[in-house]
Amino acid sequence: TQLLEQSPQFLSIQEGENLTVYCNSSSVFSSLQWYRQEPGEGPVLLVTVVTGGEVKKLKRLTFQFGDARKDSSLHITAAQTGDTGLYLCAGAWWYYKLSFGAGTTVTVRA
Amino acid sequence: EPEVTQTPSHQVTQMGQEVILRCVPISNHLYFYWYRQILGQKVEFLVSFYNNEISEKSEIFDDQFSVERPDGSNFTLKIRSTKLEDSAMYFCASSELGHQPQHFGDGTRLSIL
Repeated sequence: TQLLEQSPQFLSIQEGENLTVYCNSSSVFSSLQWYRQEPGEGPVLLVTVVTGGEVKKLKRLTFQFGDARKDSSLHITAAQTGDTGLYLCAGAWWYYKLSFGAGTTVTVRA
Repeated sequence: EPEVTQTPSHQVTQMGQEVILRCVPISNHLYFYWYRQILGQKVEFLVSFYNNEISEKSEIFDDQFSVERPDGSNFTLKIRSTKLEDSAMYFCASSELGHQPQHFGDGTRLSIL
């Protein structure tokens, strides 16, 4: 079983500050996906990274895939209260099944 | 934007009863998946399905579970004889191809009494 460790588990910051969420594994991913999940809803796809060293930007969100494809990070610049939510990373290995991290609950205070 | 739809949103069933959870994947997607999330725990893979057969299944997906694509639009998960520990959110997902991003439905909350 491939394990994905996500950190931190909880993150509380003031509006306007920056934050970074990390996702690490000892295994190499074929791809890694970041999702956001609201209470009572399914995970909503934010981005997929597939190439080692890849950086993708989605407005104020920056996603980076490690060179060795074992780790990834999500960085939010100038966080807003609307960024509050549960962020999940999910890695794909063989046969495309996703293994999820435990998630990071982000709270942005006004 | 196309989305994965799941019904019902909440299912309450007596232990030992059969339950069928339904999903309509995105129409041009070829790969289908079921995941579950027990309250407070990680999302866990159950099974993947392609070309009318199971591609891979986890150790959770035992003989009590089955999946079916009964027609061109629906994808179902059946639990034959439910147990208390089957209580969870069940998410259906689909992807255009196997290595493409997976898109999730909003889930069915299954409560076993």
